[in-house]
Amino acid sequence: KAGVTQTPRYLIKTRGQQVTLSCSPISGHRSVSWYQQTPGQGLQFLFEYFSETQRNKGNFPGRFSGRQFSNSRSEMNVSTLELGDSALYLCASSLTGPRGVSPLHFGNGTRLTVT
Amino acid sequence: DQQVKQNSPSLSVQEGRISILNCDYTNSMFDYFLWYKKYPAEGPTFLISISSIKDKNEDGRFTVFLNKSAKHLSLHIVPSQPGDSAVYFCAASEDGGSQGNLIFGKGTKLSVKP
Repeated sequence: KAGVTQTPRYLIKTRGQQVTLSCSPISGHRSVSWYQQTPGQGLQFLFEYFSETQRNKGNFPGRFSGRQFSNSRSEMNVSTLELGDSALYLCASSLTGPRGVSPLHFGNGTRLTVT
Repeated sequence: DQQVKQNSPSLSVQEGRISILNCDYTNSMFDYFLWYKKYPAEGPTFLISISSIKDKNEDGRFTVFLNKSAKHLSLHIVPSQPGDSAVYFCAASEDGGSQGNLIFGKGTKLSVKP
């Protein structure tokens, strides 16, 4: 079974630009979560999507947005990039049901550098 | 304020011995705890989890212990192997992990020496 796939692996953008990151979950997984990892803050939850609906959101500004498609694939968008947005962005998928406890399975991330 | 803390940034252990990684939390509403392992340039890999209704869960060489009264959990690896060298993250959730929102500690780097 293929794992979580994230594209691209590396990205360099300039301040003020916008960026879109893509995530394909494990087949059959309908929940997709996004995390930001930085050396100072560690892994921080951005948002979670299930059946094309955002169910949960972390404490990030509105410049960070996402969406999920009917095939469960997800995209994350960051607008008006700032230097502090440089980070590893991780996508994770899980098999969830009511009170599901399926663990998150992570992709290898997209390394975003903002110059 | 950090709700999940891993106070040891690093740990060095001899091959074959026991590795004990510790994690403390402050939120008494957490009901689901997980450990992840991360190699450089890869995403975190799920290792083992435990529900708050249990105090121990075992999977092969990995055992997680939960002490709810002390708000403390630990991961034991026995015996430790050089391939276990990685950064280990403790994570917790209030909703059984059902909505993707895990609170992570900042990790402990484990080095297992041959």
